Amino acid sequence: DAGVIQSPRHEVTEMGQEVTLRCKPISGHNSLFWYRQTMMRGLELLIYFNNNVPIDDSGMPEDRFSAKMPNASFSTLKIQPSEPRDSAVYFCAIDRGNTGELFFGEGSRLTVL
Amino acid sequence: AQSVSQHNHHVILSEAASLELGCNYSYGGTVNLFWYVQYPGQHLQLLLKYFSGDPLVKGIKGFEAEFIKSKFSFNLRKPSVQWSDTAEYFCAVNAETGGFKTIFGAGTRLFVKA
Repeated sequence: DAGVIQSPRHEVTEMGQEVTLRCKPISGHNSLFWYRQTMMRGLELLIYFNNNVPIDDSGMPEDRFSAKMPNASFSTLKIQPSEPRDSAVYFCAIDRGNTGELFFGEGSRLTVL
Repeated sequence: AQSVSQHNHHVILSEAASLELGCNYSYGGTVNLFWYVQYPGQHLQLLLKYFSGDPLVKGIKGFEAEFIKSKFSFNLRKPSVQWSDTAEYFCAVNAETGGFKTIFGAGTRLFVKA
């Protein structure tokens, strides 16, 4: 039970293109998190929402990154324009009970050429 | 700065060897502690968690962890590893002083030789 469905699972794009990653929680939650995983930096928290409201976006690397959560069932992470250094696996995760225990999606592997 | 530190980045063991992975955190106050495992090509899955009570926590697949408050530590242990335990292991902390964000350590890659 991943608790979260992410799409696309893999995306290859060219530098300068817009990338939109999607996250759909499939169970109840209080908070939703976006993480980025790379070999060099490990697992970085980008942004998190509580009750659909962005609480902390201090981990968003640059203005090129933006995230939205229009409702409890959907969130997007957008990169515009994308750069090769954005290549990573992006994970969405939910916290069902405000305990910090997270349920992760399968991740979206992004490659920017 | 508040952080989660994992002592070993890479560990190589033979099957049946004992495992201990270190984790220290620098957050004060109430903390919830976790160990996650990530098998190759997969997402993170919860191994075990500590919220309160008995500081020795048992998780899935024979793993356990001990919370030592005085040492700000939450080390992961397994008496006898198997080849299938080859994975990356992440310690994570959710703390009041950390804004209730779940912060992960850098991870430890474990390779178990058959």
